[in-house]
Amino acid sequence: QVQLQESGPGLVKPSQTLSLTCTVSRGSISSADYYWSWIRHHPGKGLELIGFIYFSGSTYYNPSLQSRVTMSVDTSKDQFSLNLSSVTAADTAIYYCARRIAARLNYFDYWGQGTLVTVSS
Amino acid sequence: DIQMTQSPSSLSASVGDRVTITCRASQSISTYLNWYQQKAGKAPNLLIYGASSLQSGVPSRFSGSGSGTDFTLTIKSLQPEDFATYYCQQSYSSLSTFGQGTRLEIK
Repeated sequence: QVQLQESGPGLVKPSQTLSLTCTVSRGSISSADYYWSWIRHHPGKGLELIGFIYFSGSTYYNPSLQSRVTMSVDTSKDQFSLNLSSVTAADTAIYYCARRIAARLNYFDYWGQGTLVTVSS
Repeated sequence: DIQMTQSPSSLSASVGDRVTITCRASQSISTYLNWYQQKAGKAPNLLIYGASSLQSGVPSRFSGSGSGTDFTLTIKSLQPEDFATYYCQQSYSSLSTFGQGTRLEIK
């Protein structure tokens, strides 16, 4: 079955850019059936969709983060990436990558294990 | 944004109990409602999609119902491995939003 794995720094300084990569294995990121998503979980709070990207490069970003978010996809490596700029302590969270069904009836069926990113000087 | 409100926020129950968790949407979302289970230190795991469809591999003691704004997740006979946090998620809009979670604890 499909596996997703996040990678990237666990500590980012305030005002800098958070960069994470998700590697997809046992499946192709180039499938037309899925979007590739980033979701975060703030300590003690709920889950928040950051956005998602299609294999073609088309994206959707959460409007509350849109000015700071960039996502990209590398189909040759079965990877997709997240950049979140101008981070503050409020961006400290567990970041998950997940696969979203590309259909009207959609859901997140596979998730990475998550990676904790702390924003601190 | 569509707000999702779960109740209760926490719940104590015993093995073998029947448990119901509710989720209310701030506007009608038809049946675009999914349920996830999350155990400590792990990623969420999809249980139910489309309000009532059981994800492959999920035990049949889990069931979901509802439409419009009100939804329920029912666990028919609690097993030790079911003690976890449960989240609902609406997929009606592109901006998916999640409930705040219901923590299910052992009594």
